[in-house]
Amino acid sequence: EPEVTQTPSHQVTQMGQEVILRCVPISNHLYFYWYRQILGQKVEFLVSFYNNEISEKSEIFDDQFSVERPDGSNFTLKIRSTKLEDSAMYFCASSERGSNQPQHFGDGTRLSIL
Amino acid sequence: GQNIDQPTEMTATEGAIVQINCTYQTSGFNGLFWYQQHAGEAPTFLSYNVLDGLEEKGRFSSFLSRSKGYSYLLLKELQMKDSASYLCAVRVTSGTYKYIFGTGTRLKVLA
Repeated sequence: EPEVTQTPSHQVTQMGQEVILRCVPISNHLYFYWYRQILGQKVEFLVSFYNNEISEKSEIFDDQFSVERPDGSNFTLKIRSTKLEDSAMYFCASSERGSNQPQHFGDGTRLSIL
Repeated sequence: GQNIDQPTEMTATEGAIVQINCTYQTSGFNGLFWYQQHAGEAPTFLSYNVLDGLEEKGRFSSFLSRSKGYSYLLLKELQMKDSASYLCAVRVTSGTYKYIFGTGTRLKVLA
């Protein structure tokens, strides 16, 4: 069964550095998402992306964050000038066209900011 | 504001039936999803409701009442592997879609 893949599985970075989290969505999916989950807390929506542009973003997704689809397969989340509170699991998800289509999640990248 | 409430924890016995409730107060409701999440893993899709009523999928069923802002997930014939967190997520729209997750209900299945 096709799946969403994320790399790396774990990223350790010094505070203030930039990180890029990578995702390869399922190939025929059109909608892409990033979520974060701080340890022990709920999954929080960050951003959705469709047709090469952001379609929706949350209050969390401020100027520190950006997303890109640099080619036909990758979908990246960049966090500039990381802070301690950015430490979390970051999940990428994708879905097909259609309102009843569920999101398929990747296994996540655990980001640890030191 | 947008709010979703679920019980924090539930315990049930192998072979039993358990019902996990979810209440929501959101604007622009456009569907409700249930996901299962094992510790340290990604959420996996279980069910979707957009109209009132019951959706059945094997051992799992989900119910929605839009007028009451209420849903439940019913798990039958519980197995040990069903021990996980169950996440209620509401899709809201104001032209585009956004997903709001509840804090999840941690279910422990005991032998």
